[in-house]
Amino acid sequence: KQEVTQIPAALSVPEGENLVLNCSFTDSAIYNLQWFRQDPGKGLTSLLLIQSSQREQTSGRLNASLDKSSGRSTLYIAASQPGDSATYLCAVYEETSGSRLTFGEGTQLTVNP
Amino acid sequence: SQTIHQWPATLVQPVGSPLSLECTVEGTSNPNLYWYRQAAGRGLQLLFYSVGIGQISSEVPQNLSASRPQDRQFILSSKKLLLSDSGFYLCAWSGDFRITDTQYFGPGTRLTVL
Repeated sequence: KQEVTQIPAALSVPEGENLVLNCSFTDSAIYNLQWFRQDPGKGLTSLLLIQSSQREQTSGRLNASLDKSSGRSTLYIAASQPGDSATYLCAVYEETSGSRLTFGEGTQLTVNP
Repeated sequence: SQTIHQWPATLVQPVGSPLSLECTVEGTSNPNLYWYRQAAGRGLQLLFYSVGIGQISSEVPQNLSASRPQDRQFILSSKKLLLSDSGFYLCAWSGDFRITDTQYFGPGTRLTVL
């Protein structure tokens, strides 16, 4: 059974700092990995999607990397801003169960002005 | 552009009462549809998914059920709610069943069972 773990569970940083969020998964047979953002009481917003054949994806100040063989992904946020405060979730699509998007429990990020 | 709607936004129901949550998608046809539950302190759990009208797959045995009466309508129901049904329910859609497309989430319904 696929398990997705995110470390740390919570993170508080001063504005302007560069930071890294970590995601690991137990079964490397995945189609893709996605990073989402969730604001309190809201739905999820897709940030980046990395196909299993790719190593990284970039969008603005966000950069996500994928090491499929080791079962790890990182989300790098450059020059963090208070507006980046949210919960960040990673999720994987498995090859063996294409319908299933397995989520980690998320990292709650607070960027202090 | 595509949009996804969920209602109600919040709901407080007594134990044993019925439930009906609705999700609709606009701007696309034949979407894949999903129901998730997010309980306090836990990750998102996939409850049901559907690849077409009347086609429902259940991921977790429970007292909930789902139906897809129309192409872009997905309904989550229960005949008798339990305390453990409390949580944040999210509907999502995708265009491609698994490979290249992301899932797009609705705003969610906060359900409290008392």
